[in-house]
Amino acid sequence: GAVVSQHPSWVICKSGTSVKIECRSLDFQATTMFWYRQFPKQSLMLMATSNEGSKATYEQGVEKDKFLINHASLTLSTLTVTSAHPEDSSFYICSARRGSDNEQFFGPGTRLTVL
Amino acid sequence: GENVEQHPSTLSVQEGDSAVIKCTYSDSASNYFPWYKQELGKRPQLIIDIRSNVGEKKDQRIAVTLNKTAKHFSLHITETQPEDSAVYFCAASMGAGNMLTFGGGTRLMVKP
Repeated sequence: GAVVSQHPSWVICKSGTSVKIECRSLDFQATTMFWYRQFPKQSLMLMATSNEGSKATYEQGVEKDKFLINHASLTLSTLTVTSAHPEDSSFYICSARRGSDNEQFFGPGTRLTVL
Repeated sequence: GENVEQHPSTLSVQEGDSAVIKCTYSDSASNYFPWYKQELGKRPQLIIDIRSNVGEKKDQRIAVTLNKTAKHFSLHITETQPEDSAVYFCAASMGAGNMLTFGGGTRLMVKP
């Protein structure tokens, strides 16, 4: 159990377009979901924490108007990269927390390339 | 906020040898310390975790030790195999519902 999926797994888009990434917990209800960004050969950097039905909490330096997060249900959170630019190219990974567990279950990631 | 430092950044060992990766954390309130293995282009996979009420935990070839006083914890892999080659991340959290702060990662290479 505790499977998290992400869609799409990779996307290539033109500069200026918006891209939506979905994160789903398939077999459990996720009270909290987290969004991370990972640049090549670097660590995971937390972008925001998303709780179902409330506004996301963004980490310092992350533009909330550029990275829109919606957590509409206990099994789905979305990250929309608005007006994407080449510097937004990265590996975006979500994770979900099940109930009161400490453990976070990670999605497979979405590789975004902005031309 | 929490700050997690991880060393070394790269580690090369011969198959069969042991590998040790060390992490330090800054916030004494952190009480949950997972270790993740990430292969290229894939999701991080939890391999072992430890809570602050335990000093050591072992799972087959993998063990983790925690020194709360010194605020450091270590991953030990014995009898390394080529398939252990990956990037390993430590992390720290203040428990359920709180975010994970990751270390910088260690690229482990096991030579056959």
